[in-house]
Amino acid sequence: QLQLQESGPGLLKPSETLSLTCSVSGGSINSWSHYWGWIRQPPGKGLQWIGSVYYSGSTFYNPSLKSRVTTSVDTSKNQFSLKLSSVTAADTAVYYCLRAITPWQPTDSWGQGTLVTVSS
Amino acid sequence: QSALTQPASVSGSPGQSITISCTGTSSDVGGYTYVSWYQQHPGKAPKLMIYDVTNRPSGISHRFSGSKSGNTASLTISGLQADDEADYYCSSFASSNTLVFGGGTKVSV
Repeated sequence: QLQLQESGPGLLKPSETLSLTCSVSGGSINSWSHYWGWIRQPPGKGLQWIGSVYYSGSTFYNPSLKSRVTTSVDTSKNQFSLKLSSVTAADTAVYYCLRAITPWQPTDSWGQGTLVTVSS
Repeated sequence: QSALTQPASVSGSPGQSITISCTGTSSDVGGYTYVSWYQQHPGKAPKLMIYDVTNRPSGISHRFSGSKSGNTASLTISGLQADDEADYYCSSFASSNTLVFGGGTKVSV
């Protein structure tokens, strides 16, 4: 069964760059039939799509975050990553990695989520 | 403010049926069949319950069903059970090439 696990720093200062990695096990990230994505959820609030990446490196981003977001894949490690630059307190959220059928169609395979707090 | 509008809360008694609405525009819900629903229990990751408006992933109870009319999608939970108490979110592909979500609905049993 496919499993995804987020990892990365849990505390950042304003203006720093958020960097998260999602490790995939039980399946290959080098799949023509799936995309790999990120969604976040501020504490007590709703969900926001961040973006998706294909194994080939093609990327798709939320227009509201596009200027600050970079996603990439590392097929040798079966991982994909998220970078979000110039973070502020508004970027404090639980970040989920997931598998998708298209860039905008999440499947039922999600990581457990990791809380990232931005505070000075 | 979320792109899709959901009621803040819906409640029902065990065994009853409830329906959660998700209202968007012709640029998202009304224009595409990429509407999904997620269930989220406190402290847990969202769980996909419905995709492509009406389809259930493997393992999801037949008590959960989805539909769409115009710019409004709906999730119906029949035979309400205590474990159905959770937050529910809808999502839709939007013409701006993005995925938009509703603000979430708290279901109380």
